[in-house]
Amino acid sequence: SQTIHQWPATLVQPVGSPLSLECTVEGTSNPNLYWYRQAAGRGLQLLFYSVGIGQISSEVPQNLSASRPQDRQFILSSKKLLLSDSGFYLCAGGRTEAFFGQGTRLTVV
Amino acid sequence: AQSVTQPDIHITVSEGASLELRCNYSYGATPYLFWYVQSPGQGLQLLLKYFSGDTLVQGIKGFEAEFKRSQSSFNLRKPSVHWSDAAEYFCAVVITGANNLFFGTGTRLTVIP
Repeated sequence: SQTIHQWPATLVQPVGSPLSLECTVEGTSNPNLYWYRQAAGRGLQLLFYSVGIGQISSEVPQNLSASRPQDRQFILSSKKLLLSDSGFYLCAGGRTEAFFGQGTRLTVV
Repeated sequence: AQSVTQPDIHITVSEGASLELRCNYSYGATPYLFWYVQSPGQGLQLLLKYFSGDTLVQGIKGFEAEFKRSQSSFNLRKPSVHWSDAAEYFCAVVITGANNLFFGTGTRLTVIP
């Protein structure tokens, strides 16, 4: 079965600092990979998705970027965090269906 | 515009009562359809999915969902709700031939004794 590993679970970062969230997938090859952001009391906003190594599609303009250096690795980054980047970030991956990691609670202070 | 709609933001039901959570989509083609559940502060767990075939699909934890093409709906049901079912429920779609997975805004379920 597929497992999504996502870390860290919580993160507090100052405004203007860089960000790197990592996600890895076990149990499948060539998965579709996704990064979502979930604001408090709101739904999931698709930020990026990837269908293969080096292939990234962005759904919304923002202060974040994503990279897929390996088949089962998906990284969410920022050069300079904004207060508005705070939220709950979820990585998901899979072939015919998506499995989710446990999420990262990011607080920008 | 393409969208996934969950019209009910919050639903409260009594333990043992039946449940139906609504989901509608507006896409030109029949999408792949999913229901996920999220406990507070956690990731999402897949309850069930529909790709093709039988329009009534069974999932985990006693949930089922029915795809109705004429209504562009994929409603989630459970005949008897348990207190542990209290959570946030999300409907999601993938357009066949595409890869992006889009979610509705979610329905928060409260279960009262």
